[in-house]
Amino acid sequence: GNSVTQMEGPVTLSEEAFLTINCTYTATGYPSLFWYVQYPGEGLQLLLKATKADDKGSNKGFEATYRKETTSFHLEKGSVQVSDSAVYFCALRGSDTGNQFYFGTGTSLTVIP
Amino acid sequence: DTGVSQDPRHKITKRGQNVTFRCDPISEHNRLYWYRQTLGQGPEFLTYFQNEAQLEKSRLLSDRFSAERPKGSFSTLEIQRTEQGDSAMYLCASSWTWDRADNEQFFGPGTRLTVL
Repeated sequence: GNSVTQMEGPVTLSEEAFLTINCTYTATGYPSLFWYVQYPGEGLQLLLKATKADDKGSNKGFEATYRKETTSFHLEKGSVQVSDSAVYFCALRGSDTGNQFYFGTGTSLTVIP
Repeated sequence: DTGVSQDPRHKITKRGQNVTFRCDPISEHNRLYWYRQTLGQGPEFLTYFQNEAQLEKSRLLSDRFSAERPKGSFSTLEIQRTEQGDSAMYLCASSWTWDRADNEQFFGPGTRLTVL
């Protein structure tokens, strides 16, 4: 079946630190992979996506590369800001599951000045 | 259009009562999705519509749950005979999607249901 496993949080970093949030997946076929972000008091927003192996999604300084060989889609940012404090969700859409999205449990990030 | 809206934002009910939630998607979006999110978990897919047709339903959607999108615009999610296990955040999302394109799903703020 399809599933997503995210590193557990919460994660606390100092401003300008390097961020990695691990995400691995299990899927049949060739899924598309996503990172969504939820800022405090707001709804989920798409952060970035990758639709095939070796694709790199990027947005707002965040990057993630679709690694089929390791079934991973780790989120990285070189220098986090206080405004990046949010909950980050890794998600996949399976190639054989219609339009169902499978989300990870979310990783809470707090960036302190 | 300011995005996906959901009403109410919070609902407290007693076990056994029926509740109905509404979702207004972004106006030009043809697809509408419902998810459920419990504390500490990611959203779980419940069902989705393309225009007025309900095309997929998760096994999570028991017989007590029903969703409609009568005119292909807003949608309602009804839960009959609520149980304490139904307490969760119910999220709605919409997208403009054709074929199997992975267009972005825009999420609403959610309706938080508490069943006493």
